[in-house]
Amino acid sequence: GAVVSQHPSRVICKSGTSVKIECRSLDFQATTMFWYRQFPKQSLMLMATSNEGSKATYEQGVEKDKFLINHASLTLSTLTVTSAHPEDSSFYICSARDERGGPDTQYFGPGTRLTVL
Amino acid sequence: GEDVEQSLFLSVREGDSSVINCTYTDSSSTYLYWYKQEPGAGLQLLTYIFSNMDMKQDQRLTVLLNKKDKHLSLRIADTQTGDSAIYFCAESDNFNKFYFGSGTKLNVKP
Repeated sequence: GAVVSQHPSRVICKSGTSVKIECRSLDFQATTMFWYRQFPKQSLMLMATSNEGSKATYEQGVEKDKFLINHASLTLSTLTVTSAHPEDSSFYICSARDERGGPDTQYFGPGTRLTVL
Repeated sequence: GEDVEQSLFLSVREGDSSVINCTYTDSSSTYLYWYKQEPGAGLQLLTYIFSNMDMKQDQRLTVLLNKKDKHLSLRIADTQTGDSAIYFCAESDNFNKFYFGSGTKLNVKP
């Protein structure tokens, strides 16, 4: 079946550095991908919609200069957390929809756990 | 974003039925979903229901939808210890953007 992968699965970085997280659709193309953030013991919060070949659309309250999104190809979206701080530590999950399918074809990646020291 | 709410915890004994409830506010939601998340893992789609349906059954899972009250429930029959996880309901109006509830942690006692 369709799979969405994320890399890395875990990353630890120092405060002030930037971290890039990749999201790939492995056997389908996705013009749109989505980035979510999950705090410990909390729900997933939609951060932004990544659009292939154009600018990402951010949800209200999400800093676009802080969370840079690039959707360079139909199978890859990247989220870069710039100048990371400890409060950015979280579980980041991406999703992509196989547009050939129906309502059950939104696939979620396994997540990336970011820890900022 | 849209408001989706769930109770935070549910504890049941193995073999009993579990019922997890969810309320939502967006009347334009087309599909409503249930996902399972095990510790440190991503989301696993369990089932979904179209908004013009009242009920959907899939093996041990039964989804009930009361569109008038904007209430969704997931019933797990014969709950097993392997069902212990966090369960999220989610709504979507176009299969793309998903708005998730807070998650219900199900604890199944042997």
